[in-house]
Amino acid sequence: QVQLVESGGGVVQPGRSLRLCCGASGFSFSNYGMHWVRQAPGKGLEWVAIIWYDGSEKYYGDSVKGRFTISRDNSHNTVCLQMNSLRVEDTAVYYCARDSADRGHDYWGQGTLVTVSS
Amino acid sequence: QAVLTQPSSLSASPGASASLTCTLRSGINVGTYRIYWYQQKPGSPPQYLLRYKSDSDKQQGSGVPSRFSGSKDASANAGILVISGLQSEDEADYYCMIWHSSACVFGGGTKLTVL
Repeated sequence: QVQLVESGGGVVQPGRSLRLCCGASGFSFSNYGMHWVRQAPGKGLEWVAIIWYDGSEKYYGDSVKGRFTISRDNSHNTVCLQMNSLRVEDTAVYYCARDSADRGHDYWGQGTLVTVSS
Repeated sequence: QAVLTQPSSLSASPGASASLTCTLRSGINVGTYRIYWYQQKPGSPPQYLLRYKSDSDKQQGSGVPSRFSGSKDASANAGILVISGLQSEDEADYYCMIWHSSACVFGGGTKLTVL
């Protein structure tokens, strides 16, 4: 069965960096695009980024453009999110999700909490 | 104006049907978009329900009951998630999403109460 497991969350000061990763299993990882989606406490879903199945294309939400970078390693079935210049408003649960081949998100991980606070 | 607008809350009775709307901003034609729907219960990640563009272009999520279905109201420029035969377990937050201008855009979500 499809499994997505996020790691790397924690507490970080504003302006610092953090790297999240998501390990995938149960499907042919190199055939699927992958997303990061976040959810601030008590708020709705906010899309963060997508990377194509082969890493050839990447797109970002406006609020993270220029600060976050999505990457993947198909040999290790992982997708990562490098988050730089973190802000208090980046505090959220970060989910990785598999792209359904038409930009939907058909499987989700359990999420990892990132808290940006001084 | 937000790209996607959802009512913040909706209440319905067990056994009844509920129609959750997702209205696209003026100038964005609902007819050209696949609309995705997700269900999220407290403390859990979202779950994919379905995708709907037309009756010939739709997809049900894996294991999602057929009482969840999608449609559109072109006159209102809106996508609709219909849940028939409401059950208490359907009480959750529901989000719509479209792929627009090389980005995923989520609606603000509707909290469905079944009472």
